Amino acid sequence: EADIYQTPRYLVIGTGKKITLECSQTMGHDKMYWYQQDPGMELHLIHYSYGVNSTEKGDLSSESTVSRIRTEHFPLTLESARPSHTSQYLCASRQSGGNYGYTFGSGTRLTVV
Amino acid sequence: AQTVTQSQPEMSVQEAETVTLSCTYDTSESDYYLFWYKQPPSRQMILVIRQEAYKQQNATENRFSVNFQKAAKSFSLKISDSQLGDAAMYFCAYRSADSGYALNFGKGTSLLVTP
Repeated sequence: EADIYQTPRYLVIGTGKKITLECSQTMGHDKMYWYQQDPGMELHLIHYSYGVNSTEKGDLSSESTVSRIRTEHFPLTLESARPSHTSQYLCASRQSGGNYGYTFGSGTRLTVV
Repeated sequence: AQTVTQSQPEMSVQEAETVTLSCTYDTSESDYYLFWYKQPPSRQMILVIRQEAYKQQNATENRFSVNFQKAAKSFSLKISDSQLGDAAMYFCAYRSADSGYALNFGKGTSLLVTP
């Protein structure tokens, strides 16, 4: 059973709309990550966080932004959605110095029309 | 940046048979971690097996085992006694010291299990 929750699970939205994808974890993990999974299934790191008030851009340039005001919450925001943003977004977390295990959410499948 | 290569986009295996999925990686680090993840149609990423690079012994988890060749930078996954529930996308991943110790994934191998 996942201890990291992503909402919504599916979202269809019009071009130009602002959206926020939610990610919350109950494990107190300090590190959190956002991955974008393209239709070909390849995973790209777009954002990560070392902890509260820490956010960094990942390997793949993304027009999205993130925030980390609380340990358990790592939302991703698109100010103006475009069809090119259509993708699956996966959130993950891990605890530094732990058993190096990563926990993944179930993902949000975003479609921009 | 480390790269992870999975050269088999698709693989097929008959139920109860054995299949091996290939993975190679490129790194200049001496200490690192490698993973195999399974992603079924539900899209939930599930950890299959993990290998610490400093351990020479290959990791095993029930029907899943790896062949870790550090010098060759190879990390293949063997699935024995394949079951229908093993059908999924399988991703090889490298834990990088960069990017907050994020996982760096290969492109994945789609495994089909036939009765």
